[in-house]
Amino acid sequence: AQTVTQSQPEMSVQEAETVTLSCTYDTSESNYYLFWYKQPPSRQMILVIRQEAYKQQNATENRFSVNFQKAAKSFSLKISDSQLGDTAMYFCAFFPDTGNQFYFGTGTSLTVIP
Amino acid sequence: NAGVTQTPKFQVLKTGQSMTLQCAQDMNHEYMSWYRQDPGMGLRLIHYSVGAGITDQGEVPNGYNVSRSTTEDFPLRLLSAAPSQTSVYFCASSYHTSVTNYNEQFFGPGTRLTVL
Repeated sequence: AQTVTQSQPEMSVQEAETVTLSCTYDTSESNYYLFWYKQPPSRQMILVIRQEAYKQQNATENRFSVNFQKAAKSFSLKISDSQLGDTAMYFCAFFPDTGNQFYFGTGTSLTVIP
Repeated sequence: NAGVTQTPKFQVLKTGQSMTLQCAQDMNHEYMSWYRQDPGMGLRLIHYSVGAGITDQGEVPNGYNVSRSTTEDFPLRLLSAAPSQTSVYFCASSYHTSVTNYNEQFFGPGTRLTVL
């Protein structure tokens, strides 16, 4: 069975500071895809960043980067220079290459404090 | 492109009523899915489809039916609504693994359903 765990239900960060959101997963698959989605108060789910498991290089998208540790099955999201618009719920998600289902964590609610 | 559209955005039902949540996408995605989102539980998969005429159950399928007669549409039917089905429902679509090497899901805006 595949599981995704986000152990931080809530976090806060000062504006312009850096914050890291944790995600771990459990799988026996060798290839898979990992995602971070953002859900602001508008409720719309927005893709933040994605990572293919076969790529060793950590993905980066502007102020967002990941620390992907395949052996440890860890996929953390780092947000640099936090902005008020980053306030949202963040979900980690996993998709096994041989499967047909996405698996989501329970989410981390991030608040950026002015 | 309209992306993924869902109707209605809000709905209130009485226990025992039935209804259909509509979902459509115009990106020619093979894969479509329905999730429910409840506080502290993240998104849980209800049903999914890898193409027209093919559907399968997810983690929490009881009380819901789906069909996929076209590539574009994937309606979710609540057969006899119960208060436990009060939730926010999301439809999502993506390319299937056979087409691309990643599977970003595009989400609809969600439907907030309350069952009294």
